[in-house]
Amino acid sequence: KNEVEQSPQNLTAQEGEFITINCSYSVGISALHWLQQHPGGGIVSLFMLSSGKKKHGRLIATINIQEKHSSLHITASHPRDSAVYICAADNYGQNFVFGPGTRLSVLP
Amino acid sequence: DVKVTQSSRYLVKRTGEKVFLECVQDMDHENMFWYRQDPGLGLRLIYFSYDVKMKEKGDIPEGYSVSREKKERFSLILESASTNQTSMYLCATGDVPYEQYFGPGTRLTVT
Repeated sequence: KNEVEQSPQNLTAQEGEFITINCSYSVGISALHWLQQHPGGGIVSLFMLSSGKKKHGRLIATINIQEKHSSLHITASHPRDSAVYICAADNYGQNFVFGPGTRLSVLP
Repeated sequence: DVKVTQSSRYLVKRTGEKVFLECVQDMDHENMFWYRQDPGLGLRLIYFSYDVKMKEKGDIPEGYSVSREKKERFSLILESASTNQTSMYLCATGDVPYEQYFGPGTRLTVT
């Protein structure tokens, strides 16, 4: 069974700071997803990646398949980025295995 | 836009009651999922369905059952609610291995 870990568990940053959230998994996967969950519960998909790097606005996601590690970066963070960020390992179409989440608070 | 709706945002039930949580999607997706989310544990898969009337157990199916009579609708049933089933329940739909689309969640409290 794939074990997915995230660090840090909680993160507080000042507006404008560069933020990195890490995700590691134990078993090879077909893809890694980054999700964002705002207070109130709704979850949206940010990225799905199987290699390299993807960028969307101020968000960048990278994955190193050999090291079984992915990072989510937020540049020029803003209070509206405050949310829980979740990584999920996609086990070749079987189902997702989710990390425990990283709670990010960005202070003005 | 994919729309996934859940029947309630907040629900309070008593121990022993039968509880129905309903999820409806409008994207004609084959796969639908029920998760529960607890602090420090992340999302855990309860059941999923890959077709009408088909269901598969996830990681934590004990105490739950599901029903999928129509493609767009996937119901989670707590036959006899217990306090340890107090949690956030999230439905998702999608075509694994691609993106999953989540509903807004139902926060269930069992007293």
